[in-house]
This record gives sequence, structure tokens and C-alpha cells, in this order.
Amino acid sequence: GENVEQHPSTLSVQEGDSAVIKCTYSDSASNYFPWYKQELGKGPQLIIDIRSNVGEKKDQRIAVTLNKTAKHFSLHITETQPEDSAVYFCAAKAGGGGSQGNLIFGKGTKLSVKP
Amino acid sequence: EAGVAQSPRYKIIEKRQSVAFWCNPISGHATLYWYQQILGQGPKLLIQFQNNGVVDDSQLPKDRFSAERLKGVDSTLKIQPAKLEDSAVYLCASSPSRGAGGITGELFFGEGSRLTVL
Repeated sequence: GENVEQHPSTLSVQEGDSAVIKCTYSDSASNYFPWYKQELGKGPQLIIDIRSNVGEKKDQRIAVTLNKTAKHFSLHITETQPEDSAVYFCAAKAGGGGSQGNLIFGKGTKLSVKP
Repeated sequence: EAGVAQSPRYKIIEKRQSVAFWCNPISGHATLYWYQQILGQGPKLLIQFQNNGVVDDSQLPKDRFSAERLKGVDSTLKIQPAKLEDSAVYLCASSPSRGAGGITGELFFGEGSRLTVL
């Protein structure tokens, strides 16, 4: 089945710097890659997603890139702000079979933005 | 628009006791999911419902976990008997549909129910 590896597990940056989180996946049939942000005591919230027919997607300070050949995708946050501090999860949709819609999540990256 | 509602927010029980969690999805969302999130890990799918039918329960420990979604709206997740390793946050999520071509769209998560088994 699908396996998603996420790095780093913790990331500390100064306010205004950029942050990059990387994920790799194992199932070449996976076709949907969302990123979720989870604040303390809250449920995860989708911040951006990308489908396998697109190489890059941007939304204001957040961008995601996908390399299907290498089976990895990355989240880029520019001009970080203290409110960006949270745990970020990447995920991949397992391909085919009876598990359509079954997202496999990485273990998360705790991002700390220091003012 | 109201979000996904879950209760209780916190629950502490002794091992071998039973517990039930309740979820009310966003109105009109056909798909409902229960995820287990152990501390320091990402959410892991336990069961997925489409309306009131089960789509995927391959990772649900059926000897102790059960879930139902009567009338295709609210859902309950039950654990009986609980084990120490069941300590986790149980997240309910909903989505409008499975999306075009079976591709999952955005999942809307509740705030979760934190279970501690002593």
C-alpha cells in the first residue's frame, strides 16, 4: 500500500524567512496530494492541494510542487509569520482498489516561526 | 456554515471499559470519515461512509471498534473493550462527495475527541 514519508519532523525559522517541507510517496498510482495545517487542539485544515496532472500550484504565500518521476512533493511557505506556526501534514491518495478516498498522511512537521 | 461537530471533546476511561464518540457532519456532506490520530503521528483512516453505507473499513479493528451512520447523517464510533494503545484523538471528517473520477476533494475535520485509556 501507499507510504508517505515527511521531513523534517520539526522546523524553526525566523519571521519573514521561507520554510520548506518535503514528502515522498511510494504508490505511483497516487493522483492527489493535499497539505493540511493543524493548530493545537484543532482538527486539520486544508491549505493547498495538487493533482498529478499539475507540477506546481501557488496560493499567495504558499506553493506546492510535485515531481511525479521522483515521487516527491514539497510545500513552500514564503514570508513566514508567527501565525504560520502549527503542525503541517502532507498526504497522498492511495490509488485504485476499494480504498478510493483513503488519504495516507505523513507524520507531520511542527513549524515554529520566531518573531 | 456550521462545521463538523464532535463530542465529547475529552474522555478518560480505564482499560477494558467502553466509550462512544459522536459526530455530526456538515449538512449535505455525503461522505463521512473517522480517523485515529496518535500523538506525534498523522491521522489514520479507520472507516469511511458514503451516505449510510461503508466504503472502506479495512483498517478498523473490528474485534473492538464499531461504527455506524444511521440515516446517512450522524455517526457514532464505539470502542469496547478499550486498550491502552487506543489512547489517541479520534477525528471525524466529512466531504461533499468523492469528487470527479473518484478523486478526493477537501476533507472538513472536526476538532476531535481526545481519548485517554488508563
